[in-house]
Amino acid sequence: KAGVTQTPRYLIKTRGQQVTLSCSPISGHRSVSWYQQTPGQGLQFLFEYFSETQRNKGNFPGRFSGRQFSNSRSEMNVSTLELGDSALYLCASSLLALREDTQYFGPGTRLTVL
Amino acid sequence: DAKTTQPTSMDCAEGRAANLPCNHSTISGNEYVYWYRQIHSQGPQYIIHGLKNNETNEMASLIITEDRKSSTLILPHATLRDTAVYYCIAHDPIGGSQGNLIFGKGTKLSVKP
Repeated sequence: KAGVTQTPRYLIKTRGQQVTLSCSPISGHRSVSWYQQTPGQGLQFLFEYFSETQRNKGNFPGRFSGRQFSNSRSEMNVSTLELGDSALYLCASSLLALREDTQYFGPGTRLTVL
Repeated sequence: DAKTTQPTSMDCAEGRAANLPCNHSTISGNEYVYWYRQIHSQGPQYIIHGLKNNETNEMASLIITEDRKSSTLILPHATLRDTAVYYCIAHDPIGGSQGNLIFGKGTKLSVKP
């Protein structure tokens, strides 16, 4: 079974631009979560989507948004990019059935803001 | 904040068992102990999880104390490819709005030849 895939793997943008990252979950998984990883803050939760609805949200500004499609694929968008948004953005998918919600991570998208 | 505390770093000789400790003294009854590892600049890799019984899979064993206040991840025969940051996470899988994983700083395991 194919793992979680993220595109693109690397991205360079300039301040003020916006960016859209994509995540395809493991087949059959219905939940997609997004995390940001920086050297200073470590791994931090952004938001989680399940059945096209945002189920949970971390403590990030409104510039960070996401959505999930009917096929469970998800996108996250960052508007008005700041230098501090440079990070590894990770997507994780889980089955989310009964008590089985082990999250499996993709390889990440490395975003650099200049 | 993370509910777990781990040593910042550990070394292990190749071929020997690596025992990674984790303290979670405030863990609640519904929270499982999850272990992930992250090899440099890659996505975290799921290793194992458990509630109260010891667990074993093809990657590792998880030993949870009877009072559930601490646990140990055991890599039975460490290889150089096991060099990574290991994260211990207390997580309630049916926590609803609390369902996200809270990562701490983890333990950097260095396996040496």
